[in-house]
Amino acid sequence: AQKVTQAQTEISVVEKEDVTLDCVYETRDTTYYLFWYKQPPSGELVFLIRRNSFDEQNEISGRYSWNFQKSTSSFNFTITASQVVDSAVYFCALSGGNQGGKLIFGQGTELSVKP
Amino acid sequence: ETGVTQTPRHLVMGMTNKKSLKCEQHLGHNAMYWYKQSAKKPLELMFVYNFKEQTENNSVPSRFSPECPNSSHLFLHLHTLQPEDSALYLCASSLGVGGGDYNEQFFGPGTRLTVL
Repeated sequence: AQKVTQAQTEISVVEKEDVTLDCVYETRDTTYYLFWYKQPPSGELVFLIRRNSFDEQNEISGRYSWNFQKSTSSFNFTITASQVVDSAVYFCALSGGNQGGKLIFGQGTELSVKP
Repeated sequence: ETGVTQTPRHLVMGMTNKKSLKCEQHLGHNAMYWYKQSAKKPLELMFVYNFKEQTENNSVPSRFSPECPNSSHLFLHLHTLQPEDSALYLCASSLGVGGGDYNEQFFGPGTRLTVL
């Protein structure tokens, strides 16, 4: 079975702090894909990143960085120097290579960045 | 119009009403999805359509009836809903249902449904 766990339900930080959102996944597929989405208060999920299971290289995009570790089945997301506009619910998701488009979402982590 | 649009954005209906949710994508994608997002719960996949054909029904009650007339439009027909069906209904599209780039799903803003 496939499963995504985001153990942190809510995180509150002060602006300019760094924050890491944890994501742990379970799958038996040898090929799979991991995603992060951001859901601001407006409701629309915004795609942030996709990572393939065969590419463990970490990625940095501006203030965002992702740490993919197959050995611990984790795909953590770090925001450096957080800003108020980063306040949102963040979802980690998993898709198997032959799952017909199915995305399995974690429960989401609500991040609140205070000024 | 760009991206994925959904109408209406908000809907209040009684348990005996019949209503429909509409989703339209302007991305040239071939796959479309309906998700349900209830408070404090992860997103639940409801239906998947690929090239207008339903490929996934995640044990959704028959009071939810999807329709996909073409690859750009997706409807969710609602009838005799229950208060527990109140949720945010999100539509998404992707290039296809394979892996990698094909499975990057783009979401609409959702319809906030309240069933009285």
